[in-house]
Order: sequence, then structure tokens, then C-alpha cells
Amino acid sequence: KAGVTQTPRYLIKTRGQQVTLSCSPISGHRSVSWYQQTPGQGLQFLFEYFSETQRNKGNFPGRFSGRQFSNSRSEMNVSTLELGDSALYLCASSLLDWETEAFFGQGTRLTVV
Amino acid sequence: DAKTTQPTSMDCAEGRAANLPCNHSTISGNEYVYWYRQIHSQGPQYIIHGLKNNETNEMASLIITEDRKSSTLILPHATLRDTAVYYCIVRVANTGNQFYFGTGTSLTVIP
Repeated sequence: KAGVTQTPRYLIKTRGQQVTLSCSPISGHRSVSWYQQTPGQGLQFLFEYFSETQRNKGNFPGRFSGRQFSNSRSEMNVSTLELGDSALYLCASSLLDWETEAFFGQGTRLTVV
Repeated sequence: DAKTTQPTSMDCAEGRAANLPCNHSTISGNEYVYWYRQIHSQGPQYIIHGLKNNETNEMASLIITEDRKSSTLILPHATLRDTAVYYCIVRVANTGNQFYFGTGTSLTVIP
């Protein structure tokens, strides 16, 4: 079956712009979470959605937001982009919300110039 | 916040067993130990997880000490494709799909 699909794979944006990233989870998975990976901070948890509700949120400013649709697909939005937002953004999905592994996508590489 | 301590880097000869240690001295009774790995520029890949019993699957074995304060991931016959950053994570079940990754161990398999 298809894995977690993230689009686009690469993106270049200008400071001050906003960006929307998309994640399609594995079919049947209801939990989707987002992570930011940078060389300096490593992999950091952004937020998690389950059945269209944000259930957990990491320590990121309000410029980072997301949502989940009824088909479990999720989008992440970053407004007023800063140079420091340049990162690999990873999405993970899992079948249930406990004691199961998360499957990660290949990520979206965002570069802010 | 990451609750684990791992060595920064390790080397392993191809074909030998790779033993990756992890300390999680503050682990609670309801926290699981998970292992993921990340090959350069790819998304993390699930390897194995356990609560208190040793676990084995087609990829690796997980040995958890009796007091649960540390664990070891064993790759029985390391190959060059096992070169990656390995993350040991503890998390509470039933708290959602969130993982707090530490800095991990960069494993290099040497030919």
C-alpha cells in the first residue's frame, strides 16, 4: 500500500510570505503529526491531529498552524516566514493513537530566502 | 523534551552485530521505548518498540534491562545500508502520536 505522501518535496519562499504543506497519510490512518528538522535543533514535534482535532502541540509560535480534513489528509501552514523556518518538514501517520509505530513521509524541504 | 541519552556516534564492521545503547533512567512505568532510524535526508523509519520484555523483529532486537533504566538495540548483522542516525525515544502510550527525538547515535558501518 502507498506510504505517507508529502507535497511538495521542495519549496523556496521569500521572507514574509506564507506557505502551505500537504500530507496524505497511509489509508486508514487517523493520526497525523508534523515535525520540523533543522541542523541546529534536530527533530522537533510541531503538532498532532486525530480525527480532525488538534490533540497535541509542541513549543512553536502561532505562525505555525495546521488542520486535518475528514479524509485524514492534513495541511500545515506557516505565515510570515522567517529565515529560521528553513527546514525539512516531516509528516507522520499512525493507525491508532497509542502503542503503534508512526510512519514518516519523505518530507518537504522548505528554503526561505 | 527528550528523556534519553545516547552516544553521539559509533562505528561497526560490516557483518558484525551493532549494539546501540540508550539510557532512560527517568522512565515511568507506563512509558514505552521506541527506536527509529533516519538515513540521510529521508524520513525516520520505525525499527522496534517495547515496554519491559525483550523484543525481536525482522530488523532488530531490543533488550531492556530489568529496572528499565536502559536498553540496547541490536542489529545482528550490520550492512552498509544500516548507516544512519538511530534515535531512542521514550513515550507514554495513549498520549497521541508525538515523539520527542533526542540527538540520536550516528552509526557508521565500515566495509
